[in-house]
Amino acid sequence: EVQLVESGGGLVKPGGSLRLSCAASGFTFSLYHMNWVRQAPGKGLEWLSSTDTSGGDIHYAASVRGRFTISRDNARNSLFLQMNSLRAEDTAVYYCAREDRLQSFDFWGQGILVTVSS
Amino acid sequence: QSVLTQPPSVSGTPGQSVTISCSGSSSNIGSNNVLWYQHLPGTAPKPLIYRNYQRPSGVPDRFSGSKSGTSASLAISGLRSEDEADYYCAAWDDSLGGRLFGGGTKLTVL
Repeated sequence: EVQLVESGGGLVKPGGSLRLSCAASGFTFSLYHMNWVRQAPGKGLEWLSSTDTSGGDIHYAASVRGRFTISRDNARNSLFLQMNSLRAEDTAVYYCAREDRLQSFDFWGQGILVTVSS
Repeated sequence: QSVLTQPPSVSGTPGQSVTISCSGSSSNIGSNNVLWYQHLPGTAPKPLIYRNYQRPSGVPDRFSGSKSGTSASLAISGLRSEDEADYYCAAWDDSLGGRLFGGGTKLTVL
């Protein structure tokens, strides 16, 4: 069974940093592109970042470029999102999502809440 | 305001059909595949449509997707109460170099 489990969320002050992790199981993690998506309170889904299988081809949304860094460790079946210079508007539920060969996000984690507040 | 424009809400009664539109531009819908997702609050989003009109296994044929030019649509026939959810279109944008989601459409089954 494919499982994606996010961790590392919580409360952080504006300007602070947080590192999210996504533990993958039930599939060959190294064969799939992976993504981070978030949903702010009362808002829609927002794609944040993607990485190819090796971490060599990475893309970011303009809203997080230069502040967030996506990475992966295929040996540990894990995806990461390093979030720096956090702002109140980064408050959201963060999801990791697997991308299949047809560019569909076919499996998602349950999400982890990040709250940026003083 | 999202680059992919969806109506904020649609509604219908059980058994009826509804259509959710998604309007984009030549750099996203006009040149890339459209995907659709269903999202119930508190749960993980679920893929409904990929490559504009194809359904993953397990998705009922009551859900259908289409695309024409820079617009796409998701049609849901035979509405059921369990269809009440938020629906999002998505596409890659060549100009932005990233994925886009539409603003989302809340479907209410009256």
